[in-house]
Amino acid sequence: DAGVIQSPRHEVTEMGQEVTLRCKPISGHNSLFWYRQTMMRGLELLIYFNNNVPIDDSGMPEDRFSAKMPNASFSTLKIQPSEPRDSAVYFCASRPGTSGGEQFFGPGTRLTVL
Amino acid sequence: QQQVKQSPQSLIVQKGGISIINCAYENTAFDYFPWYQQFPGKGPALLIAIRPDVSEKKEGRFTISFNKSAKQFSLHIMDSQPGDSATYFCAASKGGGGNKLTFGTGTQLKVEL
Repeated sequence: DAGVIQSPRHEVTEMGQEVTLRCKPISGHNSLFWYRQTMMRGLELLIYFNNNVPIDDSGMPEDRFSAKMPNASFSTLKIQPSEPRDSAVYFCASRPGTSGGEQFFGPGTRLTVL
Repeated sequence: QQQVKQSPQSLIVQKGGISIINCAYENTAFDYFPWYQQFPGKGPALLIAIRPDVSEKKEGRFTISFNKSAKQFSLHIMDSQPGDSATYFCAASKGGGGNKLTFGTGTQLKVEL
């Protein structure tokens, strides 16, 4: 069982550059979540999908952030342009059902924007 | 607005002791309360969860106590072990499904020998 796979594990970029974070959920899971973790704000839900459809994106900070889920096995979180305050650990999580149950987290992507 | 307040921020316990972490929530619509454990460099993992129709849930050395009237819930780790050293997050959600989890700020637990 591979678990949730995220790539890259670490990303260092310069302000203004585009950043794309990738997530492969656990096979057969129908819900996918993107979280951001910082010391100041803790763990925050950015967006979640059910059956590849975005359900709630109210946590997305601003228009610079966008997320897609083109199929059941792949999702991306894109930041364009990136800013230093976007530096954080970004987690992807998946869940078997669409209305409850345990969320399984990936190992995270540590993003540093210089 | 922080909807789930967690304390303490850090905790040091001797091996074999009891670790207690507390959380308080504001939104009375919350009806699912999980605890997550996170080791350095890893994502959070579900430890134990409770719904408000029970006041206590126990799984091995881990127990959640829930006080609906006070809007508080706590995690008790009995016989704490060095391997329990991690960051613990409480969370809450509404709608019964645990969709939009609101997390506490985390407690860094260290269990000393």
